[in-house]
Amino acid sequence: AQTVTQSQPEMSVQEAETVTLSCTYDTSESDYYLFWYKQPPSRQMILVIRQEAYKQQNATENRFSVNFQKAAKSFSLKISDSQLGDAAMYFCAYSAGANSKLTFGKGITLSVRP
Amino acid sequence: KAGVTQTPRYLIKTRGQQVTLSCSPISGHRSVSWYQQTPGQGLQFLFEYFSETQRNKGNFPGRFSGRQFSNSRSEMNVSTLELGDSALYLCASSVERRLDGYTFGSGTRLTVV
Repeated sequence: AQTVTQSQPEMSVQEAETVTLSCTYDTSESDYYLFWYKQPPSRQMILVIRQEAYKQQNATENRFSVNFQKAAKSFSLKISDSQLGDAAMYFCAYSAGANSKLTFGKGITLSVRP
Repeated sequence: KAGVTQTPRYLIKTRGQQVTLSCSPISGHRSVSWYQQTPGQGLQFLFEYFSETQRNKGNFPGRFSGRQFSNSRSEMNVSTLELGDSALYLCASSVERRLDGYTFGSGTRLTVV
């Protein structure tokens, strides 16, 4: 069974600084997708960034980028120039094969200090 | 365009009752998935519907059921509610499996007393 592990329950970053959120996963599939979702207090899960496993190039979306290490099964999220609005829970998620469900990690609460 | 709409936003039910939650996906999205979010278990997959057919189901008891209508709107039903069913229920829709990710609604907060 596929699992997603986020070992850090909480992190804090100074506004304008850079922070990296860690995620590891376990799978025997060769074709899969990885996602980072943000959940602010409004509860809605917002897609931050996604990565196709077959692509070697790391995905980037403005201030958000990932470090995808396929052999190590690691998928970390880097947030540059952190803003107060980045404070939220962040979930790493995985989806693979004919099964389209998302498997989520436990999430990490990110706080941003002004 | 309108996002994924879930109704109601909040719900309080008594143990033993049943409840129906509704999800309207983004126009054009044919896949609707449901997730349960609790502090202890995190986010867990309930089921997915595509073109009115359930094509995947998570590991939940038969008290949890769902359906999808021809306009892609989906409902989930929980019968004989238990205290442990208290959770945030999230619905997500997508155009195609995985490719564009999933767009989530704001959820229904169910409290069972």
